[in-house]
Amino acid sequence: DAGVIQSPRHEVTEMGQEVTLRCKPISGHNSLFWYRQTMMRGLELLIYFNNNVPIDDSGMPEDRFSAKMPNASFSTLKIQPSEPRDSAVYFCASSSPGQGFNEQFFGPGTRLTVL
Amino acid sequence: AQKVTQAQTEISVVEKEDVTLDCVYETRDTTYYLFWYKQPPSGELVFLIRRNSFDEQNEISGRYSWNFQKSTSSFNFTITASQVVDSAVYFCALFTGGGNKLTFGTGTQLKVEL
Repeated sequence: DAGVIQSPRHEVTEMGQEVTLRCKPISGHNSLFWYRQTMMRGLELLIYFNNNVPIDDSGMPEDRFSAKMPNASFSTLKIQPSEPRDSAVYFCASSSPGQGFNEQFFGPGTRLTVL
Repeated sequence: AQKVTQAQTEISVVEKEDVTLDCVYETRDTTYYLFWYKQPPSGELVFLIRRNSFDEQNEISGRYSWNFQKSTSSFNFTITASQVVDSAVYFCALFTGGGNKLTFGTGTQLKVEL
């Protein structure tokens, strides 16, 4: 039973380059979340989708960040241009439909380093 | 506004000791959900438990137990007879309809030593 899949697991890039992070949610889950984790700010919600539609992107730090979910099984988080302060672990999570708020299952994360 | 406070930044115990991780939350919503997640050194976030605001029953799962008390806005997590494999960062989180997102505490680093 596959969990949330993220790729790449590690990404090292230079400032100014475009970075694309990918996520495949658990099959049947209809909500998808992108988080960023840093030592300074902890876990922050960047954006979440419900049924492929972005619901809340208030956590997206700047216009350099964008996220898409073209279908129920795939989402991307893009940073263009990247900056050293974007270095963090980016997690994707998904949750199933149902009453109330269901637990989110997290992917293994992508560790991004921007030099 | 929603807030989760995990006042214990780091706890060190010797194996087989019991340990309690504290979590205090703030919300004005009457309906909300509380969660605990574990982040081992490998980095992934593992879901442990979900509780809704209408269910104050304590929960026990093996060596893990959770004490939910609305009167003190706390949702504490106890590990009985701790093991080295319990070493991880533990996060408490809160979801409310008003906030419409999961708010995490800053985490408690638990170190279990031999």
